[in-house]
Amino acid sequence: GQSLEQPSEVTAVEGAIVQINCTYQTSGFYGLSWYQQHDGGAPTFLSYNALDGLEETGRFSSFLSRSDSYGYLLLQELQMKDSASYFCAVLPLSGTYKYIFGTGTRLKVLA
Amino acid sequence: DAGITQSPRHKVTETGTPVTLRCHQTENHRYMYWYRQDPGHGLRLIHYSYGVKDTDKGEVSDGYSVSRSKTEDFLLTLESATSSQTSVYFCAISGRDGETQYFGPGTRLLVL
Repeated sequence: GQSLEQPSEVTAVEGAIVQINCTYQTSGFYGLSWYQQHDGGAPTFLSYNALDGLEETGRFSSFLSRSDSYGYLLLQELQMKDSASYFCAVLPLSGTYKYIFGTGTRLKVLA
Repeated sequence: DAGITQSPRHKVTETGTPVTLRCHQTENHRYMYWYRQDPGHGLRLIHYSYGVKDTDKGEVSDGYSVSRSKTEDFLLTLESATSSQTSVYFCAISGRDGETQYFGPGTRLLVL
C-alpha cells in the first residue's frame, strides 16, 4: 500500500525552529507537497518539492530525499499564528490522479 | 488564491434526506475532488473528476454520488444522509502544474 506518516503533534516555543517529518511508502510520485490548515479553516498550499533538495519560501522550507523516502517541512522564527495542522501529500505516478495525504501534524506554538 | 467556492457553507439536515453540495471553480481546471475530513482521519477522498462527465471513486465513496456537467461545477450528493456522514466536506482543484491542490472553504454538514 501507499502511505505517508507524520508525527501527530509537535510543540515548540515562539521564535524557535521546528521540523515536521513525512516518511512515505509509495512506489513513485511526482513530488511532495505541504499544506497548512488552521482550526476551522481549509488546507492551504505551502510548498512543493519536485526534485530532491531544499525549497525555501520565506520562513518555511521544505526538503525531499527520494532515496531515503523522506521529506520534511522546516518552520523558522516560529510565530503564534503558525499553530495549525500540517499535511504532506503526493500524487502517485499511477495515472489515476488521486492524491495521497499524510496523517497530519498538529503544531502548537507556545509563548 | 484559486477561485473556488462551495455552497452551502453550513447545513443541518435530517437522517434519510438527500443533500447536494456544490463546488464551483473559475480556474478552468480539469481535475476536481471531494474530500471529507473527520477528527483522527485527516483528508479522505470521496470522488474525483478528471473532466466533464468523467468521475471516479475514492476511498470512502459509499453513500455518495457526484456529477460534473460543466467544467466549473462539481456536485456531491448524499442520496439518503446518515449520521455517519456528519463531517466537513472540502472541494479541491488541481493547480496548473497538476501536482498541487487548492481547496475550497469547506462545508460543515450535520446530519441529525
